[in-house]
Amino acid sequence: NAGVTQTPKFRVLKTGQSMTLLCAQDMNHEYMYWYRQDPGMGLRLIHYSVGEGTTAKGEVPDGYNVSRLKKQNFLLGLESAAPSQTSVYFCASNPPTGHLIQETQYFGPGTRLLVL
Amino acid sequence: ELKVEQNPLFLSMQEGKNYTIYCNYSTTSDRLYWYRQDPGKSLESLFVLLSNGAVKQEGRLMASLDTKARLSTLHITAAVHDLSATYFCAVKPGSGTYKYIFGTGTRLKVLA
Repeated sequence: NAGVTQTPKFRVLKTGQSMTLLCAQDMNHEYMYWYRQDPGMGLRLIHYSVGEGTTAKGEVPDGYNVSRLKKQNFLLGLESAAPSQTSVYFCASNPPTGHLIQETQYFGPGTRLLVL
Repeated sequence: ELKVEQNPLFLSMQEGKNYTIYCNYSTTSDRLYWYRQDPGKSLESLFVLLSNGAVKQEGRLMASLDTKARLSTLHITAAVHDLSATYFCAVKPGSGTYKYIFGTGTRLKVLA
């Protein structure tokens, strides 16, 4: 099992450019999440999905869009990148609450994004 | 608004010493999680605490949960350099929610 993978690992964008971050998991997890991590602020939830075809807003959704067309993939889009979106982005997944496997989150390796 | 606060934010300690990291949260929750993050790396699950009074131990780390006080502790016993990392707690508030709210993290540095 590869677990949770993220593509790309690092990217530099100019202000106004767009890009899509891909998260893939092979654990058949229902729930998937996108977080951003900034120094001194822990992880903040951007968007999440509780199943294929569903998405919901998290704590800091502005400037981002997501899609979950397939259960194993969760895409995060930046339509018009801004310097404030410079961050490290983590994807995570976990099985539903009450699942026999303890419901900790499994994190991907992260994507470092620099917006100039 | 749910808040999850950790203290201290930074901790520098000598090898062999004991210390405790605190995680306070502001709303009802019976699920609390501890993660470890090494510099430049992803988050790794340490403990899942699912009920009041839960205590879990792994090596030199022991985590506990007091849901009435809305407090979790991560106790480090006889610290070693390999424990240097950032530790995060996270809370899943209430029931029927899918969100995890993370604390700001405690950066631990163990000095040889």
